[in-house]
Amino acid sequence: AQSVAQPEDQVNVAEGNPLTVKCTYSVSGNPYLFWYVQYPNRGLQFLLKYITGDNLVKGSYGFEAEFNKSQTSFHLKKPSALVSDSALYFCAVRESSNYQLIWGAGTKLIIKP
Amino acid sequence: DAGVIQSPRHEVTEMGQEVTLRCKPISGHDYLFWYRQTMMRGLELLIYFNNNVPIDDSGMPEDRFSAKMPNASFSTLKIQPSEPRDSAVYFCASSLWGDDTQYFGPGTRLTVL
Repeated sequence: AQSVAQPEDQVNVAEGNPLTVKCTYSVSGNPYLFWYVQYPNRGLQFLLKYITGDNLVKGSYGFEAEFNKSQTSFHLKKPSALVSDSALYFCAVRESSNYQLIWGAGTKLIIKP
Repeated sequence: DAGVIQSPRHEVTEMGQEVTLRCKPISGHDYLFWYRQTMMRGLELLIYFNNNVPIDDSGMPEDRFSAKMPNASFSTLKIQPSEPRDSAVYFCASSLWGDDTQYFGPGTRLTVL
């Protein structure tokens, strides 16, 4: 069965420091992996995705994520955090043969000035 | 492009009343998804359509919930009768086959008293 785990409910980072939001997954076959961000009282916005190719994927707002097949992980990273990055972040996965996304529980990212 | 449009943005109703949520997907998109988000259960997929046909409705909580997509530019999610435990934010999302990215609407915040 497909599943996604975001082990941290909340991540606190000082502004200017690097940030990492963790995601691990379980699927049969090749995974399609996604990160979305949700600001308060808004819908989810697409950040980046991995389908195939280079394991390091770059996305919106300076975010990037690295696909690690051996560790079944797809951690979200940013070299220097901004206060405006504070939001709820969701990891999602699907199998190549199934169009339905499986969502993680979300990680609240708090960037302190 | 106007993005995914949802109406109403907020709905307050009394237990037992019928509630209808509306969604207009992005023009040309052939997949439409209905999600529910709560603090306790996170983001749940209720149902999704492909080319106006329901593909998977296993996430619909019970018979009180129904969804239709009469044409490519409109979908409804109906709850009848509504109950306080249906209080949540309901999101509609659409995507285009081959793109893999789901684009979310702003959501409808439903409160059932």
